Amino acid sequence: GAGVSQSPSNKVTEKGKDVELRCDPISGHTALYWYRQSLGQGLEFLIYFQGNSAPDKSGLPSDRFSAERTGGSVSTLTIQRTQQEDSAVYLCASSLRHLIGRNEQYFGPGTRLTVT
Amino acid sequence: KNQVEQSPQSLIILEGKNCTLQCNYTVSPFSNLRWYKQDTGRGPVSLTIMTFSENTKSNGRYTATLDADTKQSSLHITASQLSDSASYICVVSAGGGTYKYIFGTGTRLKVLA
Repeated sequence: GAGVSQSPSNKVTEKGKDVELRCDPISGHTALYWYRQSLGQGLEFLIYFQGNSAPDKSGLPSDRFSAERTGGSVSTLTIQRTQQEDSAVYLCASSLRHLIGRNEQYFGPGTRLTVT
Repeated sequence: KNQVEQSPQSLIILEGKNCTLQCNYTVSPFSNLRWYKQDTGRGPVSLTIMTFSENTKSNGRYTATLDADTKQSSLHITASQLSDSASYICVVSAGGGTYKYIFGTGTRLKVLA
């Protein structure tokens, strides 16, 4: 079946502009995660959605970052007033359901964001 | 502080050779440890997952070991192929009711013909 898809694959934007990144998880997966991968750094947790529960936003680096998950499926990550330090690859992952870290996460290909 | 450290940072080997990648962690309480392979421009793909009671887990030419006492893991690649060129990421899941994953910075492996 189809895996996790993300769009766009690449995004170049000017400093100060807003951007929206999209994630389509695997159908039926109730858990969805957003991560950021900066050059030479490990993946950094941003936000986690599980079913209809309130999302865990504890990893969002600033209030310029927000995310939504509509209908328990598609998710969008929005970055307002982008800064150069926001340049990174943004990865989305989904899993069937969360079981205290045991469930397999399936990652999308990522969106490479470049802020000029 | 929960941390995952990997070594070496990068590695170059000839096709057909074996190699071993290292992962040390300070995550507590420990739930499980995973190794991922990340090809350039792709998302990570899971290779193995081990809980504290598992010492070794194999997936084809990939064999992962875990020593929960010393908090060390290794990923051994046998008879390397050009397609093994990728970043290998060690990920530790914290237990105690949290779902948080702690990612290492990865080892970048290059296999040369």
